[in-house]
Amino acid sequence: NAGVTQTPKFRVLKTGQSMTLLCAQDMNHEYMYWYRQDPGMGLRLIHYSVGEGTTAKGEVPDGYNVSRLKKQNFLLGLESAAPSQTSVYFCASSPSGGAAQYFGPGTRLTVT
Amino acid sequence: GEDVEQSLFLSVREGDSSVINCTYTDSSSTYLYWYKQEPGAGLQLLTYIFSNMDMKQDQRLTVLLNKKDKHLSLRIADTQTGDSAIYFCAVLQGGKLIFGQGTELSVKP
Repeated sequence: NAGVTQTPKFRVLKTGQSMTLLCAQDMNHEYMYWYRQDPGMGLRLIHYSVGEGTTAKGEVPDGYNVSRLKKQNFLLGLESAAPSQTSVYFCASSPSGGAAQYFGPGTRLTVT
Repeated sequence: GEDVEQSLFLSVREGDSSVINCTYTDSSSTYLYWYKQEPGAGLQLLTYIFSNMDMKQDQRLTVLLNKKDKHLSLRIADTQTGDSAIYFCAVLQGGKLIFGQGTELSVKP
C-alpha cells in the first residue's frame, strides 16, 4: 500500500495564479483532511471531509476550496494565490473521526 | 477552543532520556497523540493514549497523562541521533485534531 500520496511535491506560483493539489489514499478511509504547516504554528486544519461527496471548513478555510468526488481522492484548490499562502500543505486520512490520522509527505508551495 | 502548547526546543546527549511536554486546555479531549516529523517529511504517528489511561509504554517510548493538570509527556529512553526530529502533540477534540507548535529535539553525539 502506498498510504497517502500528494501531488505535486513542490510548486512555485505567482500571485493571482490558480492551482490544485491532489491527495490520494489507498486505505479505504472515510475521513480526509488538508492542513497547512507554518513555522512555529504547528498544523492548522484548512478543510476536511467525512465521506465521499462531503466537505467542511476547518480553522483556516479562506482562500481555499476542496472537493471529494471519489472516496480515495481529496483535492485542494487555490483560485487566486497570495503570498500568505506560501506554506507546506499536508493531507491526511483516517478511518473515522476518532481514529489516528495518517499523513502524506507534503507539498511545499511558494507564492511570489 | 482547544489550545495545545509545547516548548519549541529540547537538546539532549545521545544515550540520555528525552522528555517532551505538552499542555492542553479542554478536559473533554478523548484521544491524545504524539507524531514525529523528520526534515522534509510528513508526520509519522508514534503513539497515542486514551484519556482514561495514565500511562502507556511502547518499547523506548513512554507516554504519561495527567488529566488533572491537563499535561501530556513523551519520554524517549536511550535517545539516539536518529531520534532528532520535531515532535508534535495532538489532541482530539470535536472530531478534529488540534496540534501543538512542535518541539524540535536535537540529539548530540
